[in-house]
Amino acid sequence: DAGVIQSPRHEVTEMGQEVTLRCKPISGHDYLFWYRQTMMRGLELLIYFNNNVPIDDSGMPEDRFSAKMPNASFSTLKIQPSEPRDSAVYFCASGYGTAYGYTFGSGTRLTVV
Amino acid sequence: SQQGEEDPQALSIQEGENATMNCSYKTSINNLQWYRQNSGRGLVHLILIRSNEREKHSGRLRVTLDTSKKSSSLLITASRAADTASYFCATEAAGNNRKLIWGLGTSLAVNP
Repeated sequence: DAGVIQSPRHEVTEMGQEVTLRCKPISGHDYLFWYRQTMMRGLELLIYFNNNVPIDDSGMPEDRFSAKMPNASFSTLKIQPSEPRDSAVYFCASGYGTAYGYTFGSGTRLTVV
Repeated sequence: SQQGEEDPQALSIQEGENATMNCSYKTSINNLQWYRQNSGRGLVHLILIRSNEREKHSGRLRVTLDTSKKSSSLLITASRAADTASYFCATEAAGNNRKLIWGLGTSLAVNP
């Protein structure tokens, strides 16, 4: 298994541009999480899905952020328009049930200039 | 919001010594999990302990959980330079919500 796959690994964009981050979870996992990590705020949960359905999006900072999971093997996190304060590492993680912990992707380092 | 608080924030030891990290949390939990993060990489799940368990082992790792004190500890025995990383605890609150609440981590440096 290739693990959780995120793309791109690095993204540099100008303020105001749309950014789309992608995630392919591990096959068979029924939970998918999007996190953001910064030095100041640590790890923050943005949204999570169960069986492709969004369950808790209370961590999504504002309407500029949206996430979708059209099928069990793909999810996107979109920021439109992007702002410099969105600069962070964004992680996707997937898991099965609650007994085994979660597998994280390598992350996307986003820089908004 | 951060529920878990790791202690200490940073720890520096010599190879071969044991490393102990602590985590405190605020609410009732289903389980508590420990993860490792190497610099610039994703998080790696180490061990999960359920609220009805008191101790768990995995290789050189030993985790304890005291629900009365709302605290957990992670012990790494016979540390190696490769154990150098940040270690995070995460709690899954009691109930059906699978949201994990994370601490800010302990930065461990193991010196050869």
